[in-house]
Amino acid sequence: SQQGEEDPQALSIQEGENATMNCSYKTSINNLQWYRQNSGRGLVHLILIRSNEREKHSGRLRVTLDTSKKSSSLLITASRAADTASYFCATDLSGGYQKVTFGTGTKLQVIP
Amino acid sequence: DAGVIQSPRHEVTEMGQEVTLRCKPISGHDYLFWYRQTMMRGLELLIYFNNNVPIDDSGMPEDRFSAKMPNASFSTLKIQPSEPRDSAVYFCASSPDNEKLFFGSGTQLSVL
Repeated sequence: SQQGEEDPQALSIQEGENATMNCSYKTSINNLQWYRQNSGRGLVHLILIRSNEREKHSGRLRVTLDTSKKSSSLLITASRAADTASYFCATDLSGGYQKVTFGTGTKLQVIP
Repeated sequence: DAGVIQSPRHEVTEMGQEVTLRCKPISGHDYLFWYRQTMMRGLELLIYFNNNVPIDDSGMPEDRFSAKMPNASFSTLKIQPSEPRDSAVYFCASSPDNEKLFFGSGTQLSVL
């Protein structure tokens, strides 16, 4: 079963707008990551945020983490058509064997 | 670096046949993962290795599935006998630290 669930399942925006995706997870984690998957391709790592961090930036990406609510959000600012892809959050599980499990994904479409 | 290399890119086979998927991880990465992606179940972790040793195979669906890593530069995922419900995209990923994963392009498997 998935550890994380993304919301919304699908999102369609105009180029230049901001896109926000949310991820909720079930158990305590050491870190949370976001990945992008273009159609027919493998996943590409975007950003990692640790459980003791609340916010992280990378270029046009901003990630927040709220461990009390077991949730994270990914904000893509000034979106471009090339940002069209599926976005997944991934969590490890603190304690025991650390393994990376993925959420259900948000399909983002950026309309030129 | 060429990245994670998977072969074949596409595989079409008939029910009951043996299927072998191959993966070459990034040199120097100590962790190797096999994931399966379907529309219904999303991305599922099947098994992962650390230093060629299987650490967690709890995601392997049945005894029909087996995975090996005979050396640091090669891994196989075998399905014998294959069934139509095994149809999916199978991804191999490697990691230097069991955090950030680098994915291959995947093998699209169709079992008729």
